[in-house]
Amino acid sequence: AQTVTQSQPEMSVQEAETVTLSCTYDTSESDYYLFWYKQPPSRQMILVIRQEAYKQQNATENRFSVNFQKAAKSFSLKISDSQLGDAAMYFCACASQGGSEKLVFGKGTKLTVNP
Amino acid sequence: KAGVTQTPRYLIKTRGQQVTLSCSPISGHRSVSWYQQTPGQGLQFLFEYFSETQRNKGNFPGRFSGRQFSNSRSEMNVSTLELGDSALYLCASSPDLVPHEQYFGPGTRLTVT
Repeated sequence: AQTVTQSQPEMSVQEAETVTLSCTYDTSESDYYLFWYKQPPSRQMILVIRQEAYKQQNATENRFSVNFQKAAKSFSLKISDSQLGDAAMYFCACASQGGSEKLVFGKGTKLTVNP
Repeated sequence: KAGVTQTPRYLIKTRGQQVTLSCSPISGHRSVSWYQQTPGQGLQFLFEYFSETQRNKGNFPGRFSGRQFSNSRSEMNVSTLELGDSALYLCASSPDLVPHEQYFGPGTRLTVT
């Protein structure tokens, strides 16, 4: 079974600054995927970034990047140049390599961006 | 392409009733997954369908069931509703060739009174 833990229920950041959201996970599988999803208030969940566990290079998508530490089972999300539109719930999630699309989610981190 | 759509968006039911929620995936997506989101339990996987077959199932009682049609549209049904079933029910679809790239719908907000 997989578990995902987000230890920061809430975080805040000033506009234009950088913030890092933490996530740890546990899985017995050697091949898996890790994700960060964003859920703005009353809006749809969208995929922010994904990382294949077999890739050593950290994934990057514009202002969003991850720090993937496989041995430590850590997968943090860094948001650079934070914008007001980044305010949302952020969920870390894990999925097995194949056979199913099932995602196991953490409890989420509520990010507030202060102007 | 149109996104994932879910109907209805809001629903109020009485304890003991049953409810059916519908999800239309993005055109061409054959995998549809359902999740329950509550403040207490967070996001929990209900089940996944692929080409009309249930491919995976979460740890929910048998009152929760689903199905998928030949056009990939999916429905989930909850019978004998309980107060604890009040939640946001999310549907997600995935393209065949890009595993785990899930696109979520807006959800159906179910309130059980």
